[in-house]
Amino acid sequence: GNSVTQMEGPVTLSEEAFLTINCTYTATGYPSLFWYVQYPGEGLQLLLKATKADDKGSNKGFEATYRKETTSFHLEKGSVQVSDSAVYFCALSLSGAGSYQLTFGKGTKLSVIP
Amino acid sequence: DTEVTQTPKHLVMGMTNKKSLKCEQHMGHRAMYWYKQKAKKPPELMFVYSYEKLSINESVPSRFSPECPNSSLLNLHLHALQPEDSALYLCASSQSRGLSTDTQYFGPGTRLTVL
Repeated sequence: GNSVTQMEGPVTLSEEAFLTINCTYTATGYPSLFWYVQYPGEGLQLLLKATKADDKGSNKGFEATYRKETTSFHLEKGSVQVSDSAVYFCALSLSGAGSYQLTFGKGTKLSVIP
Repeated sequence: DTEVTQTPKHLVMGMTNKKSLKCEQHMGHRAMYWYKQKAKKPPELMFVYSYEKLSINESVPSRFSPECPNSSLLNLHLHALQPEDSALYLCASSQSRGLSTDTQYFGPGTRLTVL
């Protein structure tokens, strides 16, 4: 079946530190990959996405590259801020049967301290 | 505009009450979703509507009853809930092309507490 594995954390970083949250996937076919962010007490917001191999998604200083050879979609940011404290979910979606279903990882809680 | 709105923001109900959650989007999306999210867990899919027709029901108990009155609105009717149904209920919408590239846009959620 399809699955997403991401580092569960929690991850605690100092402001301006470099962030990496690892995400790997297993899928039959060619999925699209997403990072969603959930701030405390809120719903999920799309952070970035990539729809084919070697695509790089980017938004608000965050980046992730779709690596088919390593089945990975790691999230990176060069300099985190306190306002980046949130839970980050990696997810995949496949066309065809079940195309409306997002498969989520378990989420990684990030805390950034001043 | 990629906004999905949900009301109410918070809801407290007893096990014998009947209540409804509402979701609205004006992006022209024809797929709408209900998810349930427990604390420190990812969202779990409950229902999918495509072109106002129920296309996916993930074996959800009948005390949850979805309704899609038109292409912009999605309701979730609640009756005889249990305390373990307390959770954040999220609504989402997307284009209904059946493509993996379709992005789901989420609302802010309704925080439900069942006493």
